[in-house]
Amino acid sequence: GAVVSQHPSRVICKSGTSVKIECRSLDFQATTMFWYRQFPKQSLMLMATSNEGSKATYEQGVEKDKFLINHASLTLSTLTVTSAHPEDSSFYICSALHGGLGYGYTFGSGTRLTVV
Amino acid sequence: GEDVEQSLFLSVREGDSSVINCTYTDSSSTYLYWYKQEPGAGLQLLTYIFSNMDMKQDQRLTVLLNKKDKHLSLRIADTQTGDSAIYFCALALDNDMRFGAGTRLTVKP
Repeated sequence: GAVVSQHPSRVICKSGTSVKIECRSLDFQATTMFWYRQFPKQSLMLMATSNEGSKATYEQGVEKDKFLINHASLTLSTLTVTSAHPEDSSFYICSALHGGLGYGYTFGSGTRLTVV
Repeated sequence: GEDVEQSLFLSVREGDSSVINCTYTDSSSTYLYWYKQEPGAGLQLLTYIFSNMDMKQDQRLTVLLNKKDKHLSLRIADTQTGDSAIYFCALALDNDMRFGAGTRLTVKP
């Protein structure tokens, strides 16, 4: 149980276009999801915390207008990278909070974004 | 089996040492990480070890890496109640990351 599906796993897009990444909790309801970004050979960086039905909370330095987060249902959060630039190329991964054992976190498989 | 495996639960008494273990299948990882996640919070990087090292010590934390057995461990000395959290083992593979399911550490007074 507690499976998180992240899609797509890899995407290549042109500069200036937008890309949407989906994070779905398949067998549980996730009121809270986290979006992370990882640069090559570096650790994860928390971008934002997504709460169902409310605005996401962004970490300092993360542009909310560039990285749009929508958590419209208890099973789906989306991250849209708008007007993508090559420097947005990175590995993005989501995690969802599930309450099966009090609290717990399940990670998606990640999305490798390449902007050309 | 899973790429990265951890036991799900660990319970210790305050002041004791905690040892959280992790086994993995892919040995091509350059870096191996330990993350901590407290209730309601995102991941916090605790420490990491480069794959050509056997041990790394950072204050109360000791990381041991046995590449032959593909085994990584995190030892927390003098465990405190504030150490109660979920600890994730993670591997960096070709710029992607693989996480274990997390070990929930409970520290009893």
